[in-house]
Amino acid sequence: GAVVSQHPSRVICKSGTSVKIECRSLDFQATTMFWYRQFPKQSLMLMATSNEGSKATYEQGVEKDKFLINHASLTLSTLTVTSAHPEDSSFYICSANGPGDTQYFGPGTRLTVL
Amino acid sequence: EDQVTQSPEALRLQEGESSSLNCSYTVSGLRGLFWYRQDPGKGPEFLFTLYSAGEEKEKERLKATLTKKESFLHITAPKPEDSATYLCAVRSNAGNNRKLIWGLGTSLAVNP
Repeated sequence: GAVVSQHPSRVICKSGTSVKIECRSLDFQATTMFWYRQFPKQSLMLMATSNEGSKATYEQGVEKDKFLINHASLTLSTLTVTSAHPEDSSFYICSANGPGDTQYFGPGTRLTVL
Repeated sequence: EDQVTQSPEALRLQEGESSSLNCSYTVSGLRGLFWYRQDPGKGPEFLFTLYSAGEEKEKERLKATLTKKESFLHITAPKPEDSATYLCAVRSNAGNNRKLIWGLGTSLAVNP
């Protein structure tokens, strides 16, 4: 139990385009989901906390107009990287707050912006 | 300020050579200490949650313990498949109390 999926697993896009990443909790409902970014050989960096039915809470230094988060249902949150540039290339991982008040993670999305 | 420090940064063991990873923390009211395992290119996999000093949890070759200042992840007779980065995180009473404060991880390599 407590499975979280992410789609797509890999995406390559051109500079200036937007990319949407989906995060789904498959066997539980999650009022709270989280979006992280991870650079090579570094730990997780929290970008924002996503609450179902309300606006996301962004961490300091994260541009809310660039990283749009929508949490429209108890099993789905989306992250849209708008007008992506090469410096946005990274590994994006979502998690969902699930059973035992524990964060369960998706498999991650590798974004490459050319 | 809430903080998590993991040591060592990297650890190389021979298969069967037991060892421990450390996670030291300072937090304003602990509401859980979490251990995760992360393989390269994948999301973290949940291992354990500990809530109070003295608590211990076990899973196969792994055992996690907790004191008021630190947690240890003991690995008994490790196998090459235990090679991964082990991440420690804490949840505090302050602010966004579902948010986790993360350590930088310990990269474990187990040689056959």
